[in-house]
Amino acid sequence: QQQVKQSPQSLIVQKGGISIINCAYENTAFDYFPWYQQFPGKGPALLIAIRPDVSEKKEGRFTISFNKSAKQFSLHIMDSQPGDSATYFCAASKEREYGNKLVFGAGTILRVKS
Amino acid sequence: SAVISQKPSRDICQRGTSLTIQCQVDSQVTMMFWYRQQPGQSLTLIATANQGSEATYESGFVIDKFPISRPNLTFSTLTVSNMSPEDSSIYLCSVELQAGETQYFGPGTRLLVL
Repeated sequence: QQQVKQSPQSLIVQKGGISIINCAYENTAFDYFPWYQQFPGKGPALLIAIRPDVSEKKEGRFTISFNKSAKQFSLHIMDSQPGDSATYFCAASKEREYGNKLVFGAGTILRVKS
Repeated sequence: SAVISQKPSRDICQRGTSLTIQCQVDSQVTMMFWYRQQPGQSLTLIATANQGSEATYESGFVIDKFPISRPNLTFSTLTVSNMSPEDSSIYLCSVELQAGETQYFGPGTRLLVL
């Protein structure tokens, strides 16, 4: 019930293309879904996050699509750039209170070829 | 957001010894978290560190192995005790600025146990 399943494990995209990473969750109590970007040797950095009251959120080239009925959410990176090459983690947590425990997906290694 | 620093940034230790990792935040925060990220893997929550009370440990992690201190609202330490090569990982602290909102991560401490 606590799992977040992420796919694909790795992804190679041409510069200018669209990168799509998918996540699925089981626990319907989850109500906060952030995406983190991690470069080698660095800690994860928040990229974008969504709550289930909206189906899509866009920030620059990054868009989260959320399907509550299917319990799935995805990250789209438009016009992918070599600088986007990193590991991406989806996560989920529940309850709007202190001490939320983030459950992370397994991660996707993205490589954008120039 | 928050500025989070960790010390040391990396270390190589001998088995059987202990290492204390420090996490410093530039603002007062209620909740701090400690994660482990094994090589090429996702993040696993070790414990939640509350100021003024004992840390809350996740399944599979015990206080004797990973004692945590939280003396004030801007600082926490995690000790990895009696280390073995299996403890070689990246150890990350994170903070939650507002209830139910995003966690921000420190840069991590890269530990290699020989």
